[in-house]
Amino acid sequence: GQQVMQIPQYQHVQEGEDFTTYCNSSTTLSNIQWYKQRPGGHPVFLIQLVKSGEVKKQKRLTFQFGEAKKNSSLHITATQTTDVGTYFCAGRHRYNTDKLIFGTGTRLQVFP
Amino acid sequence: DSGVTQTPKHLITATGQRVTLRCSPRSGDLSVYWYQQSLDQGLQFLIQYYNGEERAKGNILERFSAQQFPDLHSELNLSSLELGDSALYFCASSARGDSSVSEQFFGPGTRLTVL
Repeated sequence: GQQVMQIPQYQHVQEGEDFTTYCNSSTTLSNIQWYKQRPGGHPVFLIQLVKSGEVKKQKRLTFQFGEAKKNSSLHITATQTTDVGTYFCAGRHRYNTDKLIFGTGTRLQVFP
Repeated sequence: DSGVTQTPKHLITATGQRVTLRCSPRSGDLSVYWYQQSLDQGLQFLIQYYNGEERAKGNILERFSAQQFPDLHSELNLSSLELGDSALYFCASSARGDSSVSEQFFGPGTRLTVL
């Protein structure tokens, strides 16, 4: 079936280091969204990417949608302890219903 | 605060029992989504309702059912509960029926423990 995988599953970094999570779909996506879930919290929408090759920035966060619209990445520059949480990508497959398929998530731990 | 409310916050019950989880979407949102999140797992989409009608179905078991009422609140019914049903159940809402266009706002979740 349609799958959205994320790597790595876990990442531990020292505060100030950069972090990247990658999202890969088995099929072409129409668009992709990113969510952040803090420990003990609920997912919170971060951003949506629609166009092939699109790049968007939010302060220290950079989001990219691949040219083939089958992959995406989230890069955090100079991580802070407030970045701790699980990052999920979520996409709608191009020829399917409007279901949003969530990725497996990447859990980020930042050590001070 | 996302504006989405879920009750109860915690629920502890026994195998074989039936429970009902309740969700009130953000004011004005017509779509409600239900997700299951097991320990250290991702979000599994269960079902979506839009303005009272079922819109999309995911990996929802036959023992589970849901509905959306005229006032747009939604209930998720889980019956013949098994140990493996223990999880965090999230409700989310969005303004439109197409989840891929509009962002989803998640509630705080209901943690279900089946003993």
